[in-house]
Amino acid sequence: SQTIHQWPATLVQPVGSPLSLECTVEGTSNPNLYWYRQAAGRGLQLLFYSVGIGQISSEVPQNLSASRPQDRQFILSSKKLLLSDSGFYLCAWRIRGYGYTFGSGTRLTVV
Amino acid sequence: GQQLNQSPQSMFIQEGEDVSMNCTSSSIFNTWLWYKQDPGEGPVLLIALYKAGELTSNGRLTAQFGITRKDSFLNISASIPSDVGIYFCAGQLLAGNEKLTFGTGTRLTIIP
Repeated sequence: SQTIHQWPATLVQPVGSPLSLECTVEGTSNPNLYWYRQAAGRGLQLLFYSVGIGQISSEVPQNLSASRPQDRQFILSSKKLLLSDSGFYLCAWRIRGYGYTFGSGTRLTVV
Repeated sequence: GQQLNQSPQSMFIQEGEDVSMNCTSSSIFNTWLWYKQDPGEGPVLLIALYKAGELTSNGRLTAQFGITRKDSFLNISASIPSDVGIYFCAGQLLAGNEKLTFGTGTRLTIIP
């Protein structure tokens, strides 16, 4: 069966520090991968998605970047975090024709 | 960008009551999905709808793909405490389009 792993679960980082969040998927090949951000009490905002290795589509101009170095690995990064980067970050995967499956999320607090 | 209007934003009900919520769009959607999110967790898929007019059930949950393809409804019958959470609709605009658009969510609270 397919599983998605996302870590860390919680992260507190100072303003100006770098960020690296990792997401891996098991049990499937060539999935579409997505990074979403959710502000407190709000809906989900699509940040990046990838349909294959090295292919990244950016939805929102911002302080973040994404990379897909391997088929089942998706990384969200920042060189210098801003206060406004705080939020709940969710990774998701999808096989065409099916709904997204989400990871358990990373709660990022920038202080 | 494309937005889904989801209502109501929040609901306060008593255990055992039925719940209804809906999503509407100005655009035609190819697929409608309903998710539930518990606090501190990622959303979990409840029901997926792929054809206009389709009515699909998952236990006490029933969802419908509107005939105009611009809306969808989710009903929960005989609510129980574990139904508490935030419910999101999501839609796929076009076949082959890899992105989902999410609604703003409906927060369900059960009053003891």
